[in-house]
Amino acid sequence: GQQVMQIPQYQHVQEGEDFTTYCNSSTTLSNIQWYKQRPGGHPVFLIQLVKSGEVKKQKRLTFQFGEAKKNSSLHITATQTTDVGTYFCAVTPNSGYALNFGKGTSLLVTP
Amino acid sequence: ETGVTQTPRHLVMGMTNKKSLKCEQHLGHNAMYWYKQSAKKPLELMFVYSLEERVENNSVPSRFSPECPNSSHLFLHLHTLQPEDSALYLCASTQRLLDREGYNEQFFGPGTRLTVL
Repeated sequence: GQQVMQIPQYQHVQEGEDFTTYCNSSTTLSNIQWYKQRPGGHPVFLIQLVKSGEVKKQKRLTFQFGEAKKNSSLHITATQTTDVGTYFCAVTPNSGYALNFGKGTSLLVTP
Repeated sequence: ETGVTQTPRHLVMGMTNKKSLKCEQHLGHNAMYWYKQSAKKPLELMFVYSLEERVENNSVPSRFSPECPNSSHLFLHLHTLQPEDSALYLCASTQRLLDREGYNEQFFGPGTRLTVL
């Protein structure tokens, strides 16, 4: 299936600092999704990006889809302790019946 | 909260036990999934069902046996598990089977935390 590399694996920031996680593919993607999983919780859908160069914002979160549709990023401005969790990207594979999830970036925010 | 419920939330079982995990979705979706999430291999897809028909089985050991009696319910029957099977088992659903050009929001249940002794 279509694999995605997600970096970094872990990130530890001070509250108020910015955070970015990246998802990269060697092939062109039809779309990409982002999910957040809080500690002890389950993945929750955040957004889906479809168009080349698309940028979407949700409050302090900014999602980007690369012009070549091979990479995507999630940027959090001025992190808060509520942002703690693991952020996954997920892509639609060329074959198969389920999304391919990245390995996730675990974000820790200390006050 | 998400329209997908799972029971039990926690399960401890011995290697010789037989138990079942239950998932129910209240969203009117047609596709359901089982995932295994462990610290070493996050979000491994196990099974995919579409309208009660299994469409994908990702080389899962036979000690895991899924069942989908209708489009709202999904079970995972467990028998003679190993300690390495200890993990969080997540059920998920989507409105329809994967649409390569469309919208594919996946709704996850809260999971069952399984410990095999």
